[in-house]
Amino acid sequence: DAGVTQSPTHLIKTRGQHVTLRCSPISGHKSVSWYQQVLGQGPQFIFQYYEKEERGRGNFPDRFSARQFPNYSSELNVNALLLGDSALYLCASSLDENTIYFGEGSWLTVV
Amino acid sequence: QKEVEQDPGPLSVPEGAIVSLNCTYSNSAFQYFMWYRQYSRKGPELLMYTYSSGNKEDGRFTAQVDKSSKYISLFIRDSQPSDSATYLCAMSEGGRQAGTALIFGKGTTLSVSS
Repeated sequence: DAGVTQSPTHLIKTRGQHVTLRCSPISGHKSVSWYQQVLGQGPQFIFQYYEKEERGRGNFPDRFSARQFPNYSSELNVNALLLGDSALYLCASSLDENTIYFGEGSWLTVV
Repeated sequence: QKEVEQDPGPLSVPEGAIVSLNCTYSNSAFQYFMWYRQYSRKGPELLMYTYSSGNKEDGRFTAQVDKSSKYISLFIRDSQPSDSATYLCAMSEGGRQAGTALIFGKGTTLSVSS
């Protein structure tokens, strides 16, 4: 079975631009979460979606938004990019609270 | 005080050593506890998970949770050079309110020399 897949794997954007990151969960998983990981830190929770409904939101500005589609895939959108948004963006999918699996991430560099 | 504290290391051990990795936390509502391994420039890989207090063993890995002390540990026996990675502890409250939102430690970097 395929794991969590994310695209793109790497991208470079300019300050002020917009970015969309995509995630396909493990087959059968209905919950998708997004995390931001900056160098030297653990991942930080951004959003969780379950059955297309937002279940949780971390301490991130409104420039960050997400949605989940009927096939359970998800998009993370970030508007008005700042240099500080440069990070590894991780998507995770889960069946329950115990087994949460991460993708390889999307490396975003803002210049 | 951060919700989850984890010594970032680095931790260097010889091959075959027993490694002990630890996290402390402040939120008594945490019920689900996980350990992830992350190789450089890769996504975190789920190693072990535990619900509430107790021990769990899987091959060379043992996870322990002591909710009374708000302390969790991961032990690696007979460590191998391939175990060299960053180890992240993570925990969540679970339930409909918090769902699967994980709170992570900073990660401990482990280096096992042959």
